[in-house]
Amino acid sequence: RKEVEQDPGPFNVPEGATVAFNCTYSNSASQSFFWYRQDCRKEPKLLMSVYSSGNEDGRFTAQLNRASQYISLLIRDSKLSDSATYLCAVPSGYALNFGKGTSLLVTP
Amino acid sequence: EAGVVQSPRYKIIEKKQPVAFWCNPISGHNTLYWYRQNLGQGPELLIRYENEEAVDDSQLPKDRFSAERLKGVDSTLKIQPAELGDSAVYLCASSSQRVDYEQYFGPGTRLTVT
Repeated sequence: RKEVEQDPGPFNVPEGATVAFNCTYSNSASQSFFWYRQDCRKEPKLLMSVYSSGNEDGRFTAQLNRASQYISLLIRDSKLSDSATYLCAVPSGYALNFGKGTSLLVTP
Repeated sequence: EAGVVQSPRYKIIEKKQPVAFWCNPISGHNTLYWYRQNLGQGPELLIRYENEEAVDDSQLPKDRFSAERLKGVDSTLKIQPAELGDSAVYLCASSSQRVDYEQYFGPGTRLTVT
């Protein structure tokens, strides 16, 4: 099993829809988790950190399920500008292990 | 606050040629990372610095890759000689010691080896 796995998508959703991505991780000792957003040909940008059961920031909610070893990212009321690749990252030592990312396309 | 700065943004070289990338981290960030990102993949760590010390270089192909971080600020990553498979985006990131895992990335250098 890979350390961090994500469904690559793409997820095509209409504007205003709610969409959720999952990310599974193999290291059960992990205590923190991160979601990064990466636009085409740009660098990853930190979207959200998760240090306990979950985190919420506006339309974005991240939830952690330790028993099943996955974290999810929920986006409500999707905007066209949410179209991007969403990378999940889990600490490995003092660096981050990234998944391959999930591609989201929000359409009018 | 200025972000992580990298140069050049793009580089095209022929195989067997040398190439170097430069990174200036966010001011005050003691930890610096070099990642490589291939198309359709997530970033993969090459090397991590704490101040001027390379504390994790297990994924750095040492036969052709080298890195340095003199004075614990700027860093340079070098490839010599480059191979076709080195074509990728090389990302530099930095973080504060206080919150190690919240890493901030620079715009990257897109390397094409022909």
